[in-house]
Amino acid sequence: DIQMTQSPSSLSASVGDRVTITCRASQSISSYLNWYQQKPGKAPKLLIYSTSNLQSGVPSRFSGSGSGTDFTLTISSLQPEDFATYYCQQSHSPPLTFGRGTRVEIK
Amino acid sequence: EVQLVESGGGLVQPGRSLRLSCAASGLSFDGYAMHWVRQAPGKGLEWVSGISWNSNRIDYADSVKGRFTISRDNARNSLSLQMNSLRPEDTALYYCAKDTSSYYYAVDVWGQGTTVTVSS
Repeated sequence: DIQMTQSPSSLSASVGDRVTITCRASQSISSYLNWYQQKPGKAPKLLIYSTSNLQSGVPSRFSGSGSGTDFTLTISSLQPEDFATYYCQQSHSPPLTFGRGTRVEIK
Repeated sequence: EVQLVESGGGLVQPGRSLRLSCAASGLSFDGYAMHWVRQAPGKGLEWVSGISWNSNRIDYADSVKGRFTISRDNARNSLSLQMNSLRPEDTALYYCAKDTSSYYYAVDVWGQGTTVTVSS
């Protein structure tokens, strides 16, 4: 099975900060990497699919990059509504696996 | 509007069975792969099982393989998860989720979840 390692597990940031979250796969997954945002008590929301494609309706301050085993989610200017937990997920081969999540908190 | 509504959760004793259902509306259900994803209290997301649009491809997480069975009825726009030999570690909120593709790609629609509690 492919293991997904996310870092950091949590971070504190201020509104307007640039935030970067990384995700590393235990083997190459090409570009089959998705990012989700989850707020407390809510279902996850797809932000980015296939490494860098912004899901419809997602603000352009979110972006993704990477390939192979190393991937990055960037929030260019953190907004109050972005405080949440973020998960990466590989869809290269089943079982599909998620990272353990990165909690973004208010500094 | 695409909607997924789960049902069937509840409190069950270890070793017993439970069947979850998911009713889909507002989409061409038979065009998409579907998934079950769970989240234990205070924990992260765990992919449980997936099924391709025509049921030709079915996969499970190692943690549930041999105990859980996913199925779909495209005529009824429904997805199911039969869970046998339940364990306390199966306690979680179970989400029904729609893929963007007919196979596995990304999940773009989630239900509200149904809670399964395994305890004596």
